[in-house]
Amino acid sequence: KAGVTQTPRYLIKTRGQQVTLSCSPISGHRSVSWYQQTPGQGLQFLFEYFSETQRNKGNFPGRFSGRQFSNSRSEMNVSTLELGDSALYLCASSGTKGRSYEQYFGPGTRLTVT
Amino acid sequence: GQNIDQPTEMTATEGAIVQINCTYQTSGFNGLFWYQQHAGEAPTFLSYNVLDGLEEKGRFSSFLSRSKGYSYLLLKELQMKDSASYLCAVNQAGTALIFGKGTTLSVSS
Repeated sequence: KAGVTQTPRYLIKTRGQQVTLSCSPISGHRSVSWYQQTPGQGLQFLFEYFSETQRNKGNFPGRFSGRQFSNSRSEMNVSTLELGDSALYLCASSGTKGRSYEQYFGPGTRLTVT
Repeated sequence: GQNIDQPTEMTATEGAIVQINCTYQTSGFNGLFWYQQHAGEAPTFLSYNVLDGLEEKGRFSSFLSRSKGYSYLLLKELQMKDSASYLCAVNQAGTALIFGKGTTLSVSS
């Protein structure tokens, strides 16, 4: 069973640009969540998509947006990049297996804003 | 408001048992997650508790008491590879997943 994949793995952008990150969940999982991880703030939840609808949203500005496609693949977009957006962006896919909940993280996209 | 507390650091020896506590104050509680994260790697999902009680999964167990706003992760038969950061996160219904700062566990021989 293929794991969660994220592309690109590394990205360097300049302030003011925009960026789109992609996440392909595990086959059969309909939920995709996005997280930002920085040394100072730790792991923070961005948003969750389920069946193409945003189900939950964290406390991030509107520059951070996302969407989910009918095949459950998800994209995250950050517009007007700021230096503080430099972080590891993780996505996780989740679903149920029998009566158990399961969740798997992708390897992350390391974004550097200069 | 919302607040999640867990110890910053813990140390233990191989073969021992360690309990990592997590207390929380949130509104609209909808479940609690535990994750393991090794340095430089993505987190690994360990458990998801929605109802009170203990859930066991191999060497790892997780306990939840919703009335007390309290959870713990129990690690048995510690191994060196269990040295990692352990994150507690609360699913706040309808809004967000709130993370604690993490507990760094160091296992020595």
